[in-house]
Amino acid sequence: GQSLEQPSEVTAVEGAIVQINCTYQTSGFYGLSWYQQHDGGAPTFLSYNGLDGLEETGRFSSFLSRSDSYGYLLLQELQMKDSASYFCAVSAYSSASKIIFGSGTRLSIRP
Amino acid sequence: SQTIHQWPATLVQPVGSPLSLECTVEGTSNPNLYWYRQAAGRGLQLLFYSVGIGQISSEVPQNLSASRPQDRQFILSSKKLLLSDSGFYLCAWSGGALRYFGAGTRLSVL
Repeated sequence: GQSLEQPSEVTAVEGAIVQINCTYQTSGFYGLSWYQQHDGGAPTFLSYNGLDGLEETGRFSSFLSRSDSYGYLLLQELQMKDSASYFCAVSAYSSASKIIFGSGTRLSIRP
Repeated sequence: SQTIHQWPATLVQPVGSPLSLECTVEGTSNPNLYWYRQAAGRGLQLLFYSVGIGQISSEVPQNLSASRPQDRQFILSSKKLLLSDSGFYLCAWSGGALRYFGAGTRLSVL
């Protein structure tokens, strides 16, 4: 089967940098993705890693280490609007039509 | 570009009543479609997915069912709602390993 672990809550200060970690267990790993969800809203796609290394998209970056079954989402220059829940999700070759989501990390930003 | 429509946005239903949530996708053909449920403050639970018309895979045994009568239409149904069916229901389509979600339906069963 597949499983993911990520911290349930993270608190950071406006303007700072925060890293949200995700470890996973799956056979036939295909890729790791990240989603953002504001309260009351739907999840929106942020970033995807299919290969090892860092993917950068503006203030957000995502990293993957396939050998360590580990990834992280890095948010820089934090803004109050970044307060949201962040989900990592893993897809596997064995279930190409399905991806499994982690339980989410609630990020709270303090002024 | 692809868009996904989901309605209604909010629904309050009594226990034992039927349910029908509809989702339609525009701008793509033969999409893989998904129904997820999210309990308050929790992660996303995959309920059903469909790779084509009439093809439904169920992930969690429950009193819900899904149907795909048309290529770009996905329906979630129940004959008799339970209190435990309350939650945030999300329809999604897939672009490869990614998911694109509709706005969701917040269902309260009372």
